[in-house]
Amino acid sequence: DTGVSQNPRHKITKRGQNVTFRCDPISEHNRLYWYRQTLGQGPEFLTYFQNEAQLEKSRLLSDRFSAERPKGSFSTLEIQRTEQGDSAMYLCASSLPREAFFGQGTRLTVV
Amino acid sequence: QKEVEQDPGPLSVPEGAIVSLNCTYSNSAFQYFMWYRQYSRKGPELLMYTYSSGNKEDGRFTAQVDKSSKYISLFIRDSQPSDSATYLCAMGDPTGTASKLTFGTGTRLQVTL
Repeated sequence: DTGVSQNPRHKITKRGQNVTFRCDPISEHNRLYWYRQTLGQGPEFLTYFQNEAQLEKSRLLSDRFSAERPKGSFSTLEIQRTEQGDSAMYLCASSLPREAFFGQGTRLTVV
Repeated sequence: QKEVEQDPGPLSVPEGAIVSLNCTYSNSAFQYFMWYRQYSRKGPELLMYTYSSGNKEDGRFTAQVDKSSKYISLFIRDSQPSDSATYLCAMGDPTGTASKLTFGTGTRLQVTL
């Protein structure tokens, strides 16, 4: 499968715990995005990488959120001290440069 | 006011009908436009991509863009039950650093037998 891969698909965590999600983009794509989607809404932009450089972050990305893309390959998104409001679908997309292809997402539930 | 407005539906049509899905936008910087299909609990799947005013056709799908009116549409011909999903419009500003997409809320479509 040469599409965007995200792991895990589902994560249930207790409030206050840290969680980390992984995204493996399409191999030749140098642009990688993280979006968040809540029920009944469209995806909202969180952050953008071009190769290994994080070039833009949304104001939605509080200081509890951190994203990395070491060596310009896979990316991780970590949420520290999770809150119930963090419950959402976290989507990763990659592109070259315009048409963005999404993974299946990681559904986070904070209890 | 949101940058992209999309009627959330739900929209219910009989099998074989022509479906029209629409979005309006307010940001003149948006220059390219996409339509995604999203099944429940899945990621968005790219259906159509266009960057100019006019029509673009791909099989049963036609994307239409009117930049002067800031209005885009997706038409689905001969709709099938398998088309039942949420349809998201998305648009991008090529001058920004990220070329990130701004999405509508999505329109939920139900095609009935």
